[in-house]
Amino acid sequence: AQKVTQAQTEISVVEKEDVTLDCVYETRDTTYYLFWYKQPPSGELVFLIRRNSFDEQNEISGRYSWNFQKSTSSFNFTITASQVVDSAVYFCALSEVGDTGRRALTFGSGTRLQVQP
Amino acid sequence: KAGVTQTPRYLIKTRGQQVTLSCSPISGHRSVSWYQQTPGQGLQFLFEYFSETQRNKGNFPGRFSGRQFSNSRSEMNVSTLELGDSALYLCASSLEQGARSNEQFFGPGTRLTVL
Repeated sequence: AQKVTQAQTEISVVEKEDVTLDCVYETRDTTYYLFWYKQPPSGELVFLIRRNSFDEQNEISGRYSWNFQKSTSSFNFTITASQVVDSAVYFCALSEVGDTGRRALTFGSGTRLQVQP
Repeated sequence: KAGVTQTPRYLIKTRGQQVTLSCSPISGHRSVSWYQQTPGQGLQFLFEYFSETQRNKGNFPGRFSGRQFSNSRSEMNVSTLELGDSALYLCASSLEQGARSNEQFFGPGTRLTVL
């Protein structure tokens, strides 16, 4: 069965600090997708990134970067020079691709990030 | 392009009642998934519909059901409500083709409170 672990329940940083959110996953499939979502207080889950299991290239998008390492089953997310607007709950998620097609998203428990001014 | 919309945004019901929640996917998206979010259990998958057919189902009792219409809009129904059904219900849609498949985009959710 697939599983996603976000060991950090809550992180508090001061504005402009860099912060890394950890995500470790378990799956028996060789083909799968990993995602990060942001959930601000409004409640809507905002899609940040998708990465498939065959693409281990790290990605940078502005202040956001992601480090995918299959060897350690990790997909960590770093925010550089954090801002107050980054305060939210961040979820890592996994979707396997089985014989019958894509399976549902399995979410981690989320990491609440608080950025203090 | 409009995002995923969900109605109503807030709902208060009493135990034993039933409720229907609605979700309109992003235009062109044919897959709709539903998730329940609670403080205790986190985000859990309910079911997925594609082309009016249930393609995938999570581990929830039969009181939870859904359907999808020909225009891809989806509804979920919860019968005989229990206090534990109080949650944020999130709907997600995805484009089931090409390189952007498997990206699920979420609506704002319906917050259901059962008294």
